[in-house]
Amino acid sequence: NAGVMQNPRHLVRRRGQEARLRCSPMKGHSHVYWYRQLPEEGLKFMVYLQKENIIDESGMPKERFSAEFPKEGPSILRIQQVVRGDSAAYFCASSRYNEQFFGPGTRLTVL
Amino acid sequence: AQTVTQSQPEMSVQEAETVTLSCTYDTSESNYYLFWYKQPPSRQMILVIRQEAYKQQNATENRFSVNFQKAAKSFSLKISDSQLGDTAMYFCAFLPPSGSARQLTFGSGTQLTVLP
Repeated sequence: NAGVMQNPRHLVRRRGQEARLRCSPMKGHSHVYWYRQLPEEGLKFMVYLQKENIIDESGMPKERFSAEFPKEGPSILRIQQVVRGDSAAYFCASSRYNEQFFGPGTRLTVL
Repeated sequence: AQTVTQSQPEMSVQEAETVTLSCTYDTSESNYYLFWYKQPPSRQMILVIRQEAYKQQNATENRFSVNFQKAAKSFSLKISDSQLGDTAMYFCAFLPPSGSARQLTFGSGTQLTVLP
């Protein structure tokens, strides 16, 4: 039973480029959460999705960030025109009932 | 909105000894869930233990146990017989009851170092 999968594990982008982060939830899980961890900080909620629906995006920056979870395929977190402040670890979690299981994270570095 | 506070940025313990990590939280909810996650140098988030607020009995998982004081809104983690592999950042997290706002709220973390 594979856990939550994220790819890529490491992503390097130059300022102004786009970053696409992918998350495949655990089998049987239909809820996906994205969290961001800045250096030396705890995880901060960004967005909560179910298949084809954004349930809560209250933690998502208003500009440049978007997320989707299509009927088929992984959830995608997209960051347009990246800036150095976007450098962080981005974690995806999937849940069933009241427990969230985390993927290994994607470490984004913006040069 | 809920807040989670971990007031110990760093702690250390000798191998085989016992250590307690503190966590307090603030909420107006009466039914909720609390978790401790471990983040080793690999950065993977690993669930250590969970507690359901409506259960009075403290959760235990092998060497890990919690002291849940609902009235005081306190949720500390006790690690017994500490091992070198316990060295990690530990995060306390709060999950509200069923509803639309199902995201975890994390504390700022406690870096635990187990000394040989």
